[in-house]
Amino acid sequence: DVKVTQSSRYLVKRTGEKVFLECVQDMDHENMFWYRQDPGLGLRLIYFSYDVKMKEKGDIPEGYSVSREKKERFSLILESASTNQTSMYLCATSRTGLHEQYFGPGTRLTVT
Amino acid sequence: GDSVTQMEGPVTLSEEAFLTINCTYTATGYPSLFWYVQYPGEGLQLLLKATKADDKGSNKGFEATYRKETTSFHLEKGSVQVSDSAVYFCALGSPSGNTPLVFGKGTRLSVIA
Repeated sequence: DVKVTQSSRYLVKRTGEKVFLECVQDMDHENMFWYRQDPGLGLRLIYFSYDVKMKEKGDIPEGYSVSREKKERFSLILESASTNQTSMYLCATSRTGLHEQYFGPGTRLTVT
Repeated sequence: GDSVTQMEGPVTLSEEAFLTINCTYTATGYPSLFWYVQYPGEGLQLLLKATKADDKGSNKGFEATYRKETTSFHLEKGSVQVSDSAVYFCALGSPSGNTPLVFGKGTRLSVIA
């Protein structure tokens, strides 16, 4: 089975802090994704990556950056956290072809 | 652009009731269609899929049929259980497979004993 792990289930940070969310997969999938999930808004794609060192902006990239130095790891970076970035963050992976995504358990981030 | 519209929740049903969650889509060409489920405290997991018109996806007692003529992919289950309480997402994948999935906003289902 595909395993997608995220570094933290719950995280509390202060406004202005730099925040790193890590995602690791063990199935050699080419594609990796970061979403945020908010009540009433569903899933919104922040960034995705289809190869090492490659990245593409999703629907809401503002205030975020990403890093993919190794195939199995995809990091989401909040350069200066703000309260409106309080959310559930979900990482996902897929093989070549961007369908059938496998999701991690999510990180609930609170920015105070 | 491509889009997915699913019925708003929450939906509350008694155990053993019949479930339908509506999903319609707008897309060019022939997309693939998916239902994902998110149980409390977990990430999403693929429930079922259909890749061409008239295909029926099924899993865990859930079914959905890809209807090109009505651009729909409604999720159904004949007899729900308390353990089916979750958020259900309809999603669309482009025919080429080279763009990310487009998700609906999700429908929360609560099943009471």
